[in-house]
Amino acid sequence: DVLMTQTPVSLPVSLGGQVSISCRSSQSLVHSDGNTYLHWYLQKPGQSPQLLIYRVSNRFSGVPDRFSGSGSGTDFTLKISRVEPEDLGVYYCLQSTHFPYTFGAGTKLELK
Amino acid sequence: EVQLAESGGGLVQPGRSLKLSCAASGFTFSDYYMAWVRQAPTKGLEWVASISYDGGSTYYRDSVKGRFTISRDNAKSSLYLQMDSLRSEDTATYYCTTWGSHWFAYWGQGTLVTVSS
Repeated sequence: DVLMTQTPVSLPVSLGGQVSISCRSSQSLVHSDGNTYLHWYLQKPGQSPQLLIYRVSNRFSGVPDRFSGSGSGTDFTLKISRVEPEDLGVYYCLQSTHFPYTFGAGTKLELK
Repeated sequence: EVQLAESGGGLVQPGRSLKLSCAASGFTFSDYYMAWVRQAPTKGLEWVASISYDGGSTYYRDSVKGRFTISRDNAKSSLYLQMDSLRSEDTATYYCTTWGSHWFAYWGQGTLVTVSS
């Protein structure tokens, strides 16, 4: 299985600040069709996960432009600028290039 | 508005069976692959199984292969997960999700399955 390693595990932030979350895969996530299937989710406390970014850098419907994704191959980053209270929770990366699909262990964004 | 509502969770003894259901609304159900993703208490997310538009193709993680069966009824806009020979490690909240274009876009609120004697 593809191992997805997220860092850091915990990320203290001040409201209005900017943070970055790293996600590294144990093998390349470039699919045979040429696409890279790396996605980002946020799970707020007591809620189900919600899709933020799909295919590395595409914001899902309704996601503010404070969220941006980048990366290639095995190394990916989610950046959040101007952090707001509703951004707090656990962030997960997901790879869906290789079966079985695998998630990172999560990064908890919390107030400093 | 896309809505997914899971049901059927509960407390079950090891070795017994349980069937989860997911009622979908707000979109054309038959246009989407569907999937189940689970989350053990205080743990991360784990893909469990997926199914194609018409149910003709199914996919499972190794740990549930042969014990779990994913199915769908497009006429009822419903997704199912039949879970047999349940183990303690299957204890989790099970989420129903849409699986379109290689990612899980919409999620239900989840249903908790607890496997314990």
